[in-house]
Amino acid sequence: DVKVTQSSRYLVKRTGEKVFLECVQDMDHENMFWYRQDPGLGLRLIYFSYDVKMKEKGDIPEGYSVSREKKERFSLILESASTNQTSMYLCASIPSPRGGTEAFFGQGTRLTVV
Amino acid sequence: AQTVTQSQPEMSVQEAETVTLSCTYDTSESDYYLFWYKQPPSRQMILVIRQEAYKQQNATENRFSVNFQKAAKSFSLKISDSQLGDAAMYFCAYRNPSGAGSYQLTFGKGTKLSVIP
Repeated sequence: DVKVTQSSRYLVKRTGEKVFLECVQDMDHENMFWYRQDPGLGLRLIYFSYDVKMKEKGDIPEGYSVSREKKERFSLILESASTNQTSMYLCASIPSPRGGTEAFFGQGTRLTVV
Repeated sequence: AQTVTQSQPEMSVQEAETVTLSCTYDTSESDYYLFWYKQPPSRQMILVIRQEAYKQQNATENRFSVNFQKAAKSFSLKISDSQLGDAAMYFCAYRNPSGAGSYQLTFGKGTKLSVIP
C-alpha cells in the first residue's frame, strides 16, 4: 500500500515561530502537494512539486514556502507563523501527472498558532 | 480556472436508506477526471469513486455510484443502503488529464454526511 506520512498529527506553535511540516511518501511518486483545509472552504492548494527541487505556487502560497530536496520528502515551511495560519494541513502525492490516477493523502497535521 | 461547487454543506440519511450528494463544476475542457473523496473523523482522505469524462457510463463501486451529466457539468454521488461508517465529509474533486494544471486536484467545499441509526 502507498503510504504518505506527515510528521505530526497535532502541532502548537507561537506567533512568529518558523514552522516545518514534513511529508514523506514511500512509492517514488513524482508529484507532491500541500493543501490547507478549513471548515466551509474545502481544500485549497498551497504549493506543489513535480520533481526534486521543482515547485509551483498553488492558489494560496502567501506566507508559505516549500522544500523538496529528495523525491520522497516535501516540506511546508511557515516562515513566521501567524494566527490566521491555524488550520489543518494535508499532504498528498500522485504517481503520474496524467490520467485518472488517484491522489494519496497523509493523515493531516492540525496546526494551532497561539 | 476550474471550479467545483458542492451546494449542500450538510446532509443526513437514515441507516439503510439512499442519499445523493450533489456536485457541479465549471471547465472549458472536454476531457478531464472527476473524483469523490471521503474524509471520516480519522481525517484520512479515501478515494470513493472516479469518473473519466470521455466515458459515458457512470462509475459504480459497490454501494456507491455516480450520475455524471457532462453537458450539465454535474457529478452527483449516490450512496445506497447507507451504513454508520459512511458518516464523513465528502469532497468532490476535478482534475485535468494533461497540460498545465494537470497535477492538481480542485476540490469543492465538502458535504458533511450524518447517518442516523
